Amino acid sequence: SAVISQKPSRDICQRGTSLTIQCQVDSQVTMMFWYRQQPGQSLTLIATANQGSEATYESGFVIDKFPISRPNLTFSTLTVSNMSPEDSSIYLCSALQASGNTEAFFGQGTRLTVV
Amino acid sequence: QKEVEQNSGPLSVPEGAIASLNCTYSDRGSQSFFWYRQYSGKSPELIMFIYSNGDKEDGRFTAQLNKASQYVSLLIRDSQPSDSATYLCAVPISGGYNKLIFGAGTRLAVHP
Repeated sequence: SAVISQKPSRDICQRGTSLTIQCQVDSQVTMMFWYRQQPGQSLTLIATANQGSEATYESGFVIDKFPISRPNLTFSTLTVSNMSPEDSSIYLCSALQASGNTEAFFGQGTRLTVV
Repeated sequence: QKEVEQNSGPLSVPEGAIASLNCTYSDRGSQSFFWYRQYSGKSPELIMFIYSNGDKEDGRFTAQLNKASQYVSLLIRDSQPSDSATYLCAVPISGGYNKLIFGAGTRLAVHP
């Protein structure tokens, strides 16, 4: 399986600021996704990161709040903008390794605390 | 609204017993089903996937799928304390290019 590296692994940020999370995969992957896992909750899909085009956002998530980039097949970033304490969560990058493959793998996550 | 439902637990089993974890899903068009294990403070780890009705075995793990009844289960034989974790059931959104919908997860506690 592909190895997915995220950084930072954790951060404490002031409200009103923005944080960019990076996701690097050690091999080319067809699809990359960003999830959020709030404390004690399951995973919620934020968006699909599309290579060379705008991300596809799920209901309840918007580009202005969570801008996403994917400049190539191995790298993506998620920015959490104008943060509030409600954004405190774990953010997870996920990838599908091959076309037609549906087994998704996850990075180790970024634990964000907004104070 | 497409949903995946799991009993949040905790499910407590003694060491050596069989742990049975269940998941139901609402989208009849779903074709593949995944079980992830998540240790506290860690990211989800894929442990099983199943596409066809019936059973699929991998070591101590068996996934069971019944599409007519829209449920998928995970059996863990000879449960060990190291199996204590949250188990997440995930189902792709049909037509959704492999985007996964996750259940709330079942917390399993295996006690010596």
